[in-house]
Amino acid sequence: GDSVTQMEGPVTLSEEAFLTINCTYTATGYPSLFWYVQYPGEGLQLLLKATKADDKGSNKGFEATYRKETTSFHLEKGSVQVSDSAVYFCALSDMNYGGSQGNLIFGKGTKLSVKP
Amino acid sequence: ETGVTQSPTHLIKTRGQQVTLRCSSQSGHNTVSWYQQALGQGPQFIFQYYREEENGRGNFPPRFSGLQFPNYSSELNVNALELDDSALYLCASREGLAGLGNEQFFGPGTRLTVL
Repeated sequence: GDSVTQMEGPVTLSEEAFLTINCTYTATGYPSLFWYVQYPGEGLQLLLKATKADDKGSNKGFEATYRKETTSFHLEKGSVQVSDSAVYFCALSDMNYGGSQGNLIFGKGTKLSVKP
Repeated sequence: ETGVTQSPTHLIKTRGQQVTLRCSSQSGHNTVSWYQQALGQGPQFIFQYYREEENGRGNFPPRFSGLQFPNYSSELNVNALELDDSALYLCASREGLAGLGNEQFFGPGTRLTVL
């Protein structure tokens, strides 16, 4: 079945460092891809999304490009801040016909800690 | 605009008991999905309600059931609780049926502990 694999954390960086969180997926068809962020004690917030191959999603300095040839959607940020400390989830929309279609399949999440 | 709210925030139950979790969808949203997030894992889709009817279901047993009300708020019911049901339960709402790019808006979750 469809699945998402993320790099395992935790990831600890110093402020202003470059961030990459790897995400690869297995899916039938051409799913939409998402990055969600979860701050401590809060629900999930959509960070960015891409709906077709070669699309680049971007928000708050974060970027990810939908790469069909490598089935990847890696999250990057050029200069992280302490306020970026959170858990990041890669997800895809379930393309399989049936009861779960259109809902999200998530990776296990990557915890990011940014030190001042 | 009020976001997605969930109640209670935390809940402790014992094995075999039943529990009801509640969700108020964001204004204008008629579709509610429920997810289970075990510790250290990503959320897993339980089911979805659209206009008061179950419209989709993930790989969860029938003891997980739900309701959606005319105001589009929703309940998740779990019968015969098991230890493995301990998790964060997330509710998400959106406008319209499952669309491949439609954004879902998540609530803060209910933390359920089963002893």
